[in-house]
Amino acid sequence: NAGVTQTPKFRVLKTGQSMTLLCAQDMNHEYMYWYRQDPGMGLRLIHYSVGEGTTAKGEVPDGYNVSRLKKQNFLLGLESAAPSQTSVYFCASSYAHIGEKLFFGSGTQLSVL
Amino acid sequence: GDSVTQMEGPVTLSEEAFLTINCTYTATGYPSLFWYVQYPGEGLQLLLKATKADDKGSNKGFEATYRKETTSFHLEKGSVQVSDSAVYFCALSDQTGANNLFFGTGTRLTVIP
Repeated sequence: NAGVTQTPKFRVLKTGQSMTLLCAQDMNHEYMYWYRQDPGMGLRLIHYSVGEGTTAKGEVPDGYNVSRLKKQNFLLGLESAAPSQTSVYFCASSYAHIGEKLFFGSGTQLSVL
Repeated sequence: GDSVTQMEGPVTLSEEAFLTINCTYTATGYPSLFWYVQYPGEGLQLLLKATKADDKGSNKGFEATYRKETTSFHLEKGSVQVSDSAVYFCALSDQTGANNLFFGTGTRLTVIP
């Protein structure tokens, strides 16, 4: 029972490079989220999706783009990475709205040099 | 805006000690309140939640009561085990209609034998 799977687990980028983080869930959840976790700041919502083909901005969306072409996948893109985007990124999903239980992936450690 | 203030860590306890991790919140309206736990190398997992005032959430020996009069949701456990070593996050649900949880900064708990 895989749950929420994130790839890659670690990545090092140079400033200005681009990359895509992939999140896949096998629970048929409608809602998916991308969070970033920074020391001393807790988790902050970047973007979320309430269903296939939909996306919406969260608290800290600048510098990121997302796509939800298939219900089970939610992609997070960095077009031109900056050192301020060094963080741990978590994907999560839920069956319904945010008041329901979130299921998290194990995270992606991203360093931008 | 809505926010969560969580007890600074780290917290180190001996096995079988009593645990309290303080959490207070600021919110308009009536948010749902959550405790999530993050074990080493893993994503966050829902530990317990409460959806209205005076509700008590409980799971795995942990408890927290939604106190509207003191705007608090403190996490307690009567006898901690080494396996409880983790980072604990308090969170509240966004009341503005956006699908978001506002997380506290997390409290690292280490339990020593």
